Amino acid sequence: ETGVTQTPRHLVMGMTNKKSLKCEQHLGHNAMYWYKQSAKKPLELMFVYNFKEQTENNSVPSRFSPECPNSSHLFLHLHTLQPEDSALYLCASSPGVRAGGQETQYFGPGTRLLVL
Amino acid sequence: DQQVKQNSPSLSVQEGRISILNCDYTNSMFDYFLWYKKYPAEGPTFLISISSIKDKNEDGRFTVFLNKSAKHLSLHIVPSQPGDSAVYFCAASVNSGNQFYFGTGTSLTVIP
Repeated sequence: ETGVTQTPRHLVMGMTNKKSLKCEQHLGHNAMYWYKQSAKKPLELMFVYNFKEQTENNSVPSRFSPECPNSSHLFLHLHTLQPEDSALYLCASSPGVRAGGQETQYFGPGTRLLVL
Repeated sequence: DQQVKQNSPSLSVQEGRISILNCDYTNSMFDYFLWYKKYPAEGPTFLISISSIKDKNEDGRFTVFLNKSAKHLSLHIVPSQPGDSAVYFCAASVNSGNQFYFGTGTSLTVIP
């Protein structure tokens, strides 16, 4: 499999559930990202991992918890979400700022999340 | 406060004609810009980029123009094809770093 993959593609969960989103990249990159895309809003950067270290956390509520066990895998653990968290969650990867060159990001297909 | 803006939510163009998608930004420190294309139910796909040291970058039917003084970039698609119908996002970063700021997207429809 090539590129960036995400599972599941669709997820419906209740506000008391715990679930996890998974992202895997097959590009040999060293940086991975979680974005949230809500309707009619720009992509919102949530978390950045660069060489497995979290380098950005853009004021994301603690009910979202990222995990990056290695440079190929990224998880987003979800706990007691709110209906307003319903959105498309996109994972991306890039070479990594220590790799030099331009940081073009490559996206996965996203997980469509609905919180009831 | 949105640092990257795409003020046209939608655009319709006849097949074979030129499509021009616009993007404005407010942060003069941005030095790397990208365009992404997104089909429904898919993630954004990288299309073309430009560094602030250039004012034009061309790749086949796609050309990106950068006007730093106006803090404006545009994507030209010539000739437009029905398969180009998608949502186009522009994005920008500072110091070629890995925090990107995205616009809200422009939905392009190419009419056969």
